[in-house]
Amino acid sequence: AQSVTQLDSQVPVFEEAPVELRCNYSSSVSVYLFWYVQYPNQGLQLLLKYLSGSTLVKGINGFEAEFNKSQTSFHLRKPSVHISDTAEYFCAVSDLPSNTGKLIFGQGTTLQVKP
Amino acid sequence: GAVVSQHPSWVICKSGTSVKIECRSLDFQATTMFWYRQFPKQSLMLMATSNEGSKATYEQGVEKDKFLINHASLTLSTLTVTSAHPEDSSFYICSAGELAGVADTQYFGPGTRLTVL
Repeated sequence: AQSVTQLDSQVPVFEEAPVELRCNYSSSVSVYLFWYVQYPNQGLQLLLKYLSGSTLVKGINGFEAEFNKSQTSFHLRKPSVHISDTAEYFCAVSDLPSNTGKLIFGQGTTLQVKP
Repeated sequence: GAVVSQHPSWVICKSGTSVKIECRSLDFQATTMFWYRQFPKQSLMLMATSNEGSKATYEQGVEKDKFLINHASLTLSTLTVTSAHPEDSSFYICSAGELAGVADTQYFGPGTRLTVL
């Protein structure tokens, strides 16, 4: 079975500062990795995903993430955040062999961007 | 990009009544749809996987008789909360997958907030 741990429940940061949201996963099989963003009272929007290939993945809104297999991590980064980045961020995994397409989500990290 | 809609976006009902939530894929055919539940300030918990034309697969601990799922067509899945009680109040989110078993083609709906009085 897979599990996802987001190490920070809340991350306060000032506008234009860099940010890193941490995600570690546990799985005995190969996985796909995802980051989603959720704005208040809305569904989830895909930020980026790692399926294979280059371990550095670039997504929308200037976000990127790096897959580190040895550390089983998939941390999300942005070099300069905006007020509009304030939202809930979820890391998720989906295992390949099960072929179900199911996503297992982490607990979420609230990014609070302050002016 | 692919669009998934949910209806209603919010609903308030009395305890003991049943509520139906619709999830539609607007511009693609969804072989598989997933239903999630999200409590305030918490993560999404998968409730069930819905495949068109077959019975839904429920996650452990989810009451299939309470949360009825129907996936009658490739563009519509419904979740019916039967005999709702205040503890069923939550944010329900669906996702629809273009390709069965392929997580990276899932698209999420905007969610439905259910409040049971």
